[in-house]
This record gives sequence, C-alpha cells and structure tokens, in this order.
Amino acid sequence: DVKVTQSSRYLVKRTGEKVFLECVQDMDHENMFWYRQDPGLGLRLIYFSYDVKMKEKGDIPEGYSVSREKKERFSLILESASTNQTSMYLCASSLDRGYDSPLHFGNGTRLTVT
Amino acid sequence: QKEVEQDPGPLSVPEGAIVSLNCTYSNSAFQYFMWYRQYSRKGPELLMYTYSSGNKEDGRFTAQVDKSSKYISLFIRDSQPSDSATYLCAMMTTDSWGKLQFGAGTQVVVTP
Repeated sequence: DVKVTQSSRYLVKRTGEKVFLECVQDMDHENMFWYRQDPGLGLRLIYFSYDVKMKEKGDIPEGYSVSREKKERFSLILESASTNQTSMYLCASSLDRGYDSPLHFGNGTRLTVT
Repeated sequence: QKEVEQDPGPLSVPEGAIVSLNCTYSNSAFQYFMWYRQYSRKGPELLMYTYSSGNKEDGRFTAQVDKSSKYISLFIRDSQPSDSATYLCAMMTTDSWGKLQFGAGTQVVVTP
C-alpha cells in the first residue's frame, strides 16, 4: 500500500513566521502535490512536482513555495504565514503522468496561524 | 463562479437506501472524472475514475458522466453506515495534467 506521510497532524504558528510542512511518500512515485482544503471550497492545488527539483504552480501559489530535493520528499513553505493561510493542507503523490494514475493522499496537516 | 459545483449536504439516508450524489461543471474541456471518499480526519481516497461520457460500475458504486449536460453522478446501492463520509468529485482536462478541479464535497450520513 502507498503511504503518504505528513510530518505534523496539527500545527499552530504565529503571523509572520516561516512555516515548513513536510511530506514523504514511500512508493517511488514521480509526482507529488500540495493542496489546501477549506470548507465550502473543496481542495485547491497549490503546487505540484513531476520530478526532483521540478515544480509547477497550481491554482493558488501566492504566499507559498515548495522544495523537492529528493524524490520521496516534497516540502511546502509558507514564507511569512498569514491568518488567511489557516487551513487543512493535504499532500498527495501519484505514480506517473498517466491520466489513470490516481492521487494517494496523506491525512493532512491542520495549520492554524494566529 | 466555481468550475465545479457540488451540494455540501449533509445528505442523510437510512441504511440500505440508494445514495445519489452529483456535480455540475462549467468547463466543457473536462474529460477525466473522479470520485473520492474522505472519512473524518483522513485524506481523500479514490473511489471511481471515468474517462469521457458513460457509466462505470464497481460493486455497489456506479459513476455516470453526462457531458452534454455537464453533469456527473455517483450512486451507492445498499448503503451502509460505513459509507458515511464526505464524497468529493474531481475532474481535469487532457492538457492540464495534474491540475484536478475538486467540488466542495457532499457529506453523507447513513443511519442504521
């Protein structure tokens, strides 16, 4: 079974802090994704990566950056956390770029910015 | 206007009933359609995947796509309390690989 592990389940940070959310997958998947999930808005794609050191912007990249130095690890960085970044953050991975390659999600990090 | 609309519910049904879920969308270029199930405090998991129009059946689950109406459906037969979860539809075009557009999710409660 694919396992996507997010390092923190809950995180509380202050406005202006630099925040790192870490994600590791154990199935040698090529592609990794970061989404945020908000009530009434569903999941929205922040960034994704289809190879080491490669990244592409999703629908809402503003205020975020990412890092993928190793194939199994994809980090989401909030350069200067703001209260509107309080959300559930979900990491996902998929095997390849085939359209039938499903996304496997982690269980999320609930971030609160105060 | 959001590209994918989904009624948030909650949708409450008695055990054994048929659960009917749907999403509408505005982008006629969507070709790949998925349904995810999300239990409380868990990440979403893929339930069904359909390309273009038509029906797909997997056990108690049936997914339908009507591209002419820009409407997709998920039916759950013989619903069980373990089906209580949030169901999310998702879709993407052929030239936007990786950029899934999700609905907001419908919460389903199956009561014993």
